Amino acid sequence: DAKTTQPNSMESNEEEPVHLPCNHSTISGTDYIHWYRQLPSQGPEYVIHGLTSNVNNRMASLAIAEDRKSSTLILHRATLRDAAVYYCSFNAGNNRKLIWGLGTSLAVNP
Amino acid sequence: DTEVTQTPKHLVMGMTNKKSLKCEQHMGHRAMYWYKQKAKKPPELMFVYSYEKLSINESVPSRFSPECPNSSLLNLHLHALQPEDSALYLCASSQGPAGTATYEQYFGPGTRLTVT
Repeated sequence: DAKTTQPNSMESNEEEPVHLPCNHSTISGTDYIHWYRQLPSQGPEYVIHGLTSNVNNRMASLAIAEDRKSSTLILHRATLRDAAVYYCSFNAGNNRKLIWGLGTSLAVNP
Repeated sequence: DTEVTQTPKHLVMGMTNKKSLKCEQHMGHRAMYWYKQKAKKPPELMFVYSYEKLSINESVPSRFSPECPNSSLLNLHLHALQPEDSALYLCASSQGPAGTATYEQYFGPGTRLTVT
């Protein structure tokens, strides 16, 4: 079965970098890796996605392992507003639906 | 504008009621999704519409009935629900047709449903 695993929780200090890991060992060659985050009482928010190469956008960077079985979401300077549950996922199967991890709850200390 | 709107924000209904959830997007996206999310769990896919046609039904009970009246609107009709159906119901949209891995999904804020 397709599966995504993430640590249950992580903690960071404000203005420090945060590295959020994800394992997706069942990923296939054409499956994109997606990251979303969810703040309390809100819907998930798109963060970043990629296939093979590392990706950067205004919110974060995505580092993808060479074998694509793991990836790391990098927040370069955590702020208090980055406290959220971060979900790693990848498209899989004929329907290409997202296979979600259980999420990492990120706490940011001032 | 990357906004997906959902109404109502909260809904309390009895097990014999009929109600509807509404979702709207004006980004020209061609795929729209319904998800169900229980507390401390990731979203769980229910239905996907692609070009206004139902393309995925994740074996959802018939007491949930989706409808896509046009490319901007998505409804979820609810009838004879059970207390275990209480959850956050999320709508999402993406630019490309369902089954395209390259496009990100944009989510609405959700409807918090309580079935009594």
